[in-house]
Amino acid sequence: GAVVSQHPSWVICKSGTSVKIECRSLDFQATTMFWYRQFPKQSLMLMATSNEGSKATYEQGVEKDKFLINHASLTLSTLTVTSAHPEDSSFYICSASSRVGFNEQFFGPGTRLTVL
Amino acid sequence: SQQGEEDPQALSIQEGENATMNCSYKTSINNLQWYRQNSGRGLVHLILIRSNEREKHSGRLRVTLDTSKKSSSLLITASRAADTASYFCATDEGGAQKLVFGQGTRLTINP
Repeated sequence: GAVVSQHPSWVICKSGTSVKIECRSLDFQATTMFWYRQFPKQSLMLMATSNEGSKATYEQGVEKDKFLINHASLTLSTLTVTSAHPEDSSFYICSASSRVGFNEQFFGPGTRLTVL
Repeated sequence: SQQGEEDPQALSIQEGENATMNCSYKTSINNLQWYRQNSGRGLVHLILIRSNEREKHSGRLRVTLDTSKKSSSLLITASRAADTASYFCATDEGGAQKLVFGQGTRLTINP
């Protein structure tokens, strides 16, 4: 149980285009989903926290107009990187939690974004 | 979010040897977790230790927690080539649901 999927697993796009990444909890309802970014050989940095049906909470320094997060249902959250640039190239990982106020998170396999 | 410290940043040992990784954090926590990440993959949860626990075992893994020193260690005994990965600690010091990750240790097990 507690499986989280991400789609796509990798994507290459041209500078200036937008890219949508999906995060799904397959066998549980995720009250909260988290989006992380990881640069090569570095740790995970939390970008934002999203609760189903409400606006995402972004970490300091993360542009909410550039990284659009939609948590439309209890099993799906999407991250859209708008007007992507080469510096947005990174590994994006989502996680999901089914228990409010408790930090047990289940991680997706990640999405490798390369912006040319 | 602030990042914790992990050391060493990289560790290379022979198969069969034990590997020890350390993690330090900055503020009070309710629990600390260890994760493994294979290259280019997502995270695999290894073990969670609560703030009122000092030691926990799971198979070949042994985790200790010293809240007075704000530090934890992960010991992998009888290492195998398949243990080659990056290992991260994560605490809840970011708030009730947030995880704050350490910098990670890249472990290489040489056959």
